[in-house]
Amino acid sequence: DIQMTQSPSSLSASVGDRVTITCQASHDIDNYLNWYQQKPGKAPKLLIYDASNLETGVPSRFSGSGSGTDFIFTISSLQPEDIATYFCQQYDNVPLTFGQGTRLEIK
Amino acid sequence: EVQLVESGGGLVQPGGSLRLSCAASGFTFSSYWMHWVRQPPGKGLVWVSRIDSDGRSTTYADSVKGRFTISRDNAKNTLYLQMNSLRAEDTAVYYCASYRGDYWGQGTLVTVSS
Repeated sequence: DIQMTQSPSSLSASVGDRVTITCQASHDIDNYLNWYQQKPGKAPKLLIYDASNLETGVPSRFSGSGSGTDFIFTISSLQPEDIATYFCQQYDNVPLTFGQGTRLEIK
Repeated sequence: EVQLVESGGGLVQPGGSLRLSCAASGFTFSSYWMHWVRQPPGKGLVWVSRIDSDGRSTTYADSVKGRFTISRDNAKNTLYLQMNSLRAEDTAVYYCASYRGDYWGQGTLVTVSS
């Protein structure tokens, strides 16, 4: 199985800050990586697919980069509505696997 | 509007069975691979199973292999998860989702407890 190591597990930042989350795969997954946002009591929402492509309707302050084993998710200017938990997920191979999540809080 | 609506969750005793359903609308369900993902209370997301668009190919996580069965009825636009021999560690919110991850249901809670 491909292990996805996501960091940090939690993060506190101020409105307007640039926020970065990393995800490392245990094997090369090319660019087969999604990033999701999940708010309490809600289903995950796809933000980024194929590591760097912005899903339709998602604000441009969200972005992703990377390929192979190392990936980065960025919020360029944190907004109050961005408070959520963020997950990476690889779909290069089954079983599909997720990072453990990053809980983002407002400072 | 795309909708995935899960049903069938609830409280069941260890060793019992449940069948989850996921009713799809607003997109061409028969063209989409689908999967089930679960989330134990307060924890992260765990992939459970996937099925191809015509239901001929299925794959399972090792933790549910031999106990869970994924299936679909494209005429009814519905995805299923038959869960047998349930264990306490199967307790979770179960989501159906498109394989690409762009469509998700609201989730249904399965609680396995005596």
